[in-house]
Amino acid sequence: DIQMTQFPSSLSASVGERVTITCRASQKISNFLHWFQQKPGRAPKLLIYAASILQRGVPSRFSGSGSETDFTLTITSLQPEDFATYYCQQTYDSPRTFGQGTKVDVK
Amino acid sequence: QVQLVQSGSELKKPGASVMISCKTSGYSFSDYALSWVRQAPGRGLEWMGWINTNTGNPTYAQGFTRRFVFSFDTSVTTAYLRINSLKVDDSAVYYCAREILLLPAWIYYMDVWGTGTAVAVSS
Repeated sequence: DIQMTQFPSSLSASVGERVTITCRASQKISNFLHWFQQKPGRAPKLLIYAASILQRGVPSRFSGSGSETDFTLTITSLQPEDFATYYCQQTYDSPRTFGQGTKVDVK
Repeated sequence: QVQLVQSGSELKKPGASVMISCKTSGYSFSDYALSWVRQAPGRGLEWMGWINTNTGNPTYAQGFTRRFVFSFDTSVTTAYLRINSLKVDDSAVYYCAREILLLPAWIYYMDVWGTGTAVAVSS
């Protein structure tokens, strides 16, 4: 199985800060990498697909980059509604593994 | 708009079975596969597998091959997850999610998720 490792596992930030979350794959996965946001008690929401394509309706402060093994999710100016847990997922191979999640909370 | 509405919470005893439904609307049901994802309490997301709603062919991730069954009824645009011989460790929230295929790269991703169904297994 392809292992997806996110870091940090948690971070504290303030509104307006730039936040960067990294996801590393245990083998090359081209751009078969997607990012989701999940708030407590809610279903995950797609933010970015194919490493860098912003899902329709997602604010432009979210962006994704990377390829093969190293990927990044960036929030340029953190907003109050962005405090949540973020997951990466690869769909290059089955099983489609998720990272363990990065929780973003208030500093 | 595209919606996936799941059935309500369930409380079951070990050894029982449960059937979770995922009612879809707003798109052509047979044109998109559906995945199932499990989230145990306080834990991350775990992909269980998916079902091709055109061919009916299911694919199960390791660990979900014996007691878990994916099915669907096109006439009511609804997918189902059945879990047999429930164990306490099956307690989790289960999500369905629509699979989109990005061409020409052949990249699958989950664009719309269901509302989630909490299953609690306790004696």
